[in-house]
Amino acid sequence: AQSVSQHNHHVILSEAASLELGCNYSYGGTVNLFWYVQYPGQHLQLLLKYFSGDPLVKGIKGFEAEFIKSKFSFNLRKPSVQWSDTAEYFCAVNPAGGGADGLTFGKGTHLIIQP
Amino acid sequence: DTAVSQTPKYLVTQMGNDKSIKCEQNLGHDTMYWYKQDSKKFLKIMFSYNNKELIINETVPNRFSPKSPDKAHLNLHINSLELGDSAVYFCASSQAAGEAYGYTFGSGTRLTVV
Repeated sequence: AQSVSQHNHHVILSEAASLELGCNYSYGGTVNLFWYVQYPGQHLQLLLKYFSGDPLVKGIKGFEAEFIKSKFSFNLRKPSVQWSDTAEYFCAVNPAGGGADGLTFGKGTHLIIQP
Repeated sequence: DTAVSQTPKYLVTQMGNDKSIKCEQNLGHDTMYWYKQDSKKFLKIMFSYNNKELIINETVPNRFSPKSPDKAHLNLHINSLELGDSAVYFCASSQAAGEAYGYTFGSGTRLTVV
């Protein structure tokens, strides 16, 4: 079974700072990778996903992530954060090629952006 | 139109009661899911349902039972509610099982058992 590890549970940054959230996964085969964001009191929204091709993936709201296969990592980045980026961020994986296992999530990173 | 809708949004009930949460998706997706988000924000899959095939996470108590009257609906029925069942429950759907197109989530149902 697959597992996902997010290194930082809480991150506090000032506006305009650069952001990098770590995500590592464990699985013996090929995976699809996702980052979701959950704003306070809201549902999960997809930020970006990777399943093949260019390992540098660009998503919504200026976020990007890089898949490094040798490191089993899929870190999320944003060059300059805004106060509105305050939210919970989840990295998730599912096995590529089929199966109804759904997504396996990391435990999330709570990001607070200070004005 | 809401893609994945859940009702109710909030549910407060007493221990021992039986309750249901409804989920509907209008995306034409083939697979639907239920996830539980605990007080620490940890999300864990409970069930997936695809073409009448139900996959159950083995850690889910049998007090929880999904019911799918058709492809667009996957309801969650919970018997004999316990305090530990308090959580936010999210319904989700995907175009096909295991696809890389992403999953669409509902807005969640906050269940509080008192």
